[in-house]
Amino acid sequence: DTGVSQDPRHKITKRGQNVTFRCDPISEHNRLYWYRQTLGQGPEFLTYFQNEAQLEKSRLLSDRFSAERPKGSFSTLEIQRTEQGDSAMYLCASSLAIRGITYNEQFFGPGTRLTVL
Amino acid sequence: AQSVAQPEDQVNVAEGNPLTVKCTYSVSGNPYLFWYVQYPNRGLQFLLKYITGDNLVKGSYGFEAEFNKSQTSFHLKKPSALVSDSALYFCAVRAAGYSSASKIIFGSGTRLSIRP
Repeated sequence: DTGVSQDPRHKITKRGQNVTFRCDPISEHNRLYWYRQTLGQGPEFLTYFQNEAQLEKSRLLSDRFSAERPKGSFSTLEIQRTEQGDSAMYLCASSLAIRGITYNEQFFGPGTRLTVL
Repeated sequence: AQSVAQPEDQVNVAEGNPLTVKCTYSVSGNPYLFWYVQYPNRGLQFLLKYITGDNLVKGSYGFEAEFNKSQTSFHLKKPSALVSDSALYFCAVRAAGYSSASKIIFGSGTRLSIRP
């Protein structure tokens, strides 16, 4: 399967602990996105990368959240000192962006469901 | 600011009947519009997109959507619903252009329920 993969699929943690999620995009895609989805809501944008550069961050992304894409391939999203309000599905997506080419849709991974106790 | 509205939380349709899931949007400039579907415990799957050109776009699983610029709408349609179409559907928008903010804004979703 050459789609977007995310690991782990589920994570249960205690409040105050740190967690890290990994996303592997489709290999030829240069853009990678992180979203958060809570029950009954659409995905909310958190941040995105073009290659290894983090180009935009949402105001939703507090100082406890950090994302990296060190080699322009996989990405990690870390949440420090987790809070119960962080419980959500964290989705990763990737796309191919080329100047002058029609916008290409984002392909989503299965998500990581985080539960903070 | 970009926004998307899906006015119906749930749409119920009998199998074999046509279905419509409504979406309106607000964006500066020309929009790129998308529909995604989400099945339980799975990520979002792309259905179709409008970038430019014909107002009626066709997508996966027999779905289509009509872009209406004057009404700022992008309703999802299917001529004959299947029970397997039951899922959560999201409309999404972003501003056109390579240099525009790349984030996509999603609506709150519409749960489609097809009864046999």
